[in-house]
Amino acid sequence: DIVMTQTPLSSPVTLGQPASISCRSSQSLVHSDGNTYLSWLQQRPGQPPRLLIYKISNRFSGVPDRFSGSGAGTDFTLKISRVEAEDVGVYYCTQATQWTWTFGQGTKVEIK
Amino acid sequence: QLQLQESGPGLVKPSETLSLTCTVSGGSISSSSYYWGWIRQPPGKGLEWIGSIYYSGSTYYNPSLKSRVTISVDTSKNQFSLKLSSVTAADTAVYYCATLIVGAPVYWGQGTLVTVSS
Repeated sequence: DIVMTQTPLSSPVTLGQPASISCRSSQSLVHSDGNTYLSWLQQRPGQPPRLLIYKISNRFSGVPDRFSGSGAGTDFTLKISRVEAEDVGVYYCTQATQWTWTFGQGTKVEIK
Repeated sequence: QLQLQESGPGLVKPSETLSLTCTVSGGSISSSSYYWGWIRQPPGKGLEWIGSIYYSGSTYYNPSLKSRVTISVDTSKNQFSLKLSSVTAADTAVYYCATLIVGAPVYWGQGTLVTVSS
C-alpha cells in the first residue's frame, strides 16, 4: 500500500501570510500512463472534503489562485500564498495512482 | 455537475451489516469517465478510503477492510451501494460517497453519520 505522510500536522498562520504543507508518498506516484494522480483536498469544519488541486498542480474549478500545488515523484507541496479566514480547516493530500486511494493524515490550518 | 447523496440507517447494531446507498444525479453512473468510491471519517479523525467500483463492476477494496466490504452498482437506478459486515464501534463514522475523475475525488456527497451501538 502507498502511505501518504503530511507535515506539519498543525499550522497556525497569521492572516495574510503564506502557508505550506508537504506530502510525501512511500513510493513514486507516477502512473504507467505518465500522469501523477496526486490531489489536495480542503475540509472546512462540518463540511465534506472539497477538491482543490488535481494531478499535482491543476486548480479545480472555482479554486482561488492563492492555492498552488507542486512536486514530483514522491514529494509534493500545497501552498497558500496569503491565508484568509475562510481557509481554516484540514487539508489532505490523496493519491489514486493504482485505483486504490490513500489519504494523508491531514494538516490543520488555523489562524494565530 | 454531478451530485451525490448518501442514504441508509444512522444506527446499526454490533455484529450486523451496515448498508448504504449513494444516489447519483446530473450524470450517468455508467460513464466510462468515472470511478465511484466510499470513504469514511471517524469522529474527529482523518479520511479512510473503503473501496471503489467502476461501472463495469470492477471493484477495489482497502486491504484492511476487504474481508468485510462489498460495493456494488445498480445502473438502472443510477446508484452504488456499500455493505460492511460484522460492524463494531470502530466502524462508527461519517460515510461519504465520492466520484473519482481523472484520478481525483472531484464530487462528494454530504456524508451520513453511522453509529454502531446496541
